[in-house]
Amino acid sequence: GESVGLHLPTLSVQEGDNSIINCAYSNSASDYFIWYKQESGKGPQFIIDIRSNMDKRQGQRVTVLLNKTVKHLSLQIAATQPGDSAVYFCAVPNTGGFKTIFGAGTRLFVKA
Amino acid sequence: KAGVTQTPRYLIKTRGQQVTLSCSPISGHRSVSWYQQTPGQGLQFLFEYFSETQRNKGNFPGRFSGRQFSNSRSEMNVSTLELGDSALYLCASSFPGNYGYTFGSGTRLTVV
Repeated sequence: GESVGLHLPTLSVQEGDNSIINCAYSNSASDYFIWYKQESGKGPQFIIDIRSNMDKRQGQRVTVLLNKTVKHLSLQIAATQPGDSAVYFCAVPNTGGFKTIFGAGTRLFVKA
Repeated sequence: KAGVTQTPRYLIKTRGQQVTLSCSPISGHRSVSWYQQTPGQGLQFLFEYFSETQRNKGNFPGRFSGRQFSNSRSEMNVSTLELGDSALYLCASSFPGNYGYTFGSGTRLTVV
């Protein structure tokens, strides 16, 4: 079946450095991808999305890169701050959006 | 505007009992999805409702059921609780045609 996976369960970075979180997906027909951030005690929060007709999309301090050839996407966080400490999920909605498959999540630790 | 509201936030039940969880979506959001989150399995899709109709269901036993009311509020029910049902149950709503979710803070269910 369709799957979404992340390469690292945890990532530790120094405050001020850039963070890169990776994700792989299995369905080459997927056309929409989302990154969510989940802080302790809260539900996941939408960060940024990208459609398959794009390679890159930028938000505020975040950039998502999509490589359809190898079915890989990444989330880059610039100048990582303590408030960025959370679990990050990549997510792939199925056609029609009736269901979204989530990756296992990467826990980001930011060292002061 | 008000976010997605889930009640109760915490619940402790005994094996064999049943439980009902409630979710009020953001005003105007007609799609409501439910996910189970556990440390071992991550976010697992339970079901999705739109205009009181279940459009998709995940791979959970029939003990897990849900419904949606005409005002888009949704409930999920778990009967004959098992220890393995202990989890964070997340509700998410979305606007028609929008694949991104807004999540509630979840209901933490503990089965003892």
